[in-house]
Amino acid sequence: QAVVTQEPSLTVSPGGTVTLTCGSSTGAVTSGHYPYWLQQKPGQAPRTLIYDISNKHSWTPARFSGSLLGGKAVLTLSGAQPEDEAEYYCFLYYSGARVFGGGTKLTVL
Amino acid sequence: EVQLVESGGGLVQPGGSLRLSCAASGFSFSGHWMYWVRQPPGKGLVWVSRIKADESSITYADSVRGRFTISRDSARNTLFLQMRNLRAEDTAVYYCAGGSHYDYWGQGTLVTVSS
Repeated sequence: QAVVTQEPSLTVSPGGTVTLTCGSSTGAVTSGHYPYWLQQKPGQAPRTLIYDISNKHSWTPARFSGSLLGGKAVLTLSGAQPEDEAEYYCFLYYSGARVFGGGTKLTVL
Repeated sequence: EVQLVESGGGLVQPGGSLRLSCAASGFSFSGHWMYWVRQPPGKGLVWVSRIKADESSITYADSVRGRFTISRDSARNTLFLQMRNLRAEDTAVYYCAGGSHYDYWGQGTLVTVSS
C-alpha cells in the first residue's frame, strides 16, 4: 500500500502564510490522485476543505487554497487565524482506494 | 440540515463481530457514494471502505478486506459496516461520510476490541 507523507507539525504566526505538503511514496502526486485536504479540530469530526486539488466547499474559508507543486499536493493558508489551529490531513486516490497522510498539526502562535 | 448519525459501536472481544450503522438525512443518500473512515485513539485518520450509490462498486482498505463488509439500504437511508474477526488494531472511532466529495461527516462511534 502506498504511503502518503505530510509534515508532522508546523507553526504559523497570526496573519501569516504557511504551506502544507502531501507527497506519495509511489512518485509525484498528480491530478489522478484527486488530492483532498481535511481539517480536524480536537474532539470534532473531520471536515473537507479542498477536493480534487483545488476545489473548495461552500464552507471553506477563502484563505485556504490547494494546488500541485513540485510533485506534491499543497495546501496554502494565507492570513492564518487562531481558529485555523487544527490537524490537517491530505488523502490521495490509488486505484479505487484512498490513503490518508499522517496529518500535520498546525499551530497558530 | 444534513445529518449522519453512526451507531452500533461498543466493546467487543478479539475475534468477535460488530455491525455499525449510519443513518443519513437531509441529502440525497441514494444518489451518492458513502464511506467509512476510522481513527484509532490519539492517532490519524484511516480510510476503510466505500460503496457506490447503486452498490455496483465497493472498495476496501487492505487492512480490512475479507473481514469487513460495507452495505447500504437506500429505502432506510442507512449505511452499514459489518465487522468480523475483529482485532485489537481495529479499535478506533468509526466515521461515516458521504456526498460527492466527502461533503458530510458523522460524529463517529467508538469501537473497542479488547478482552
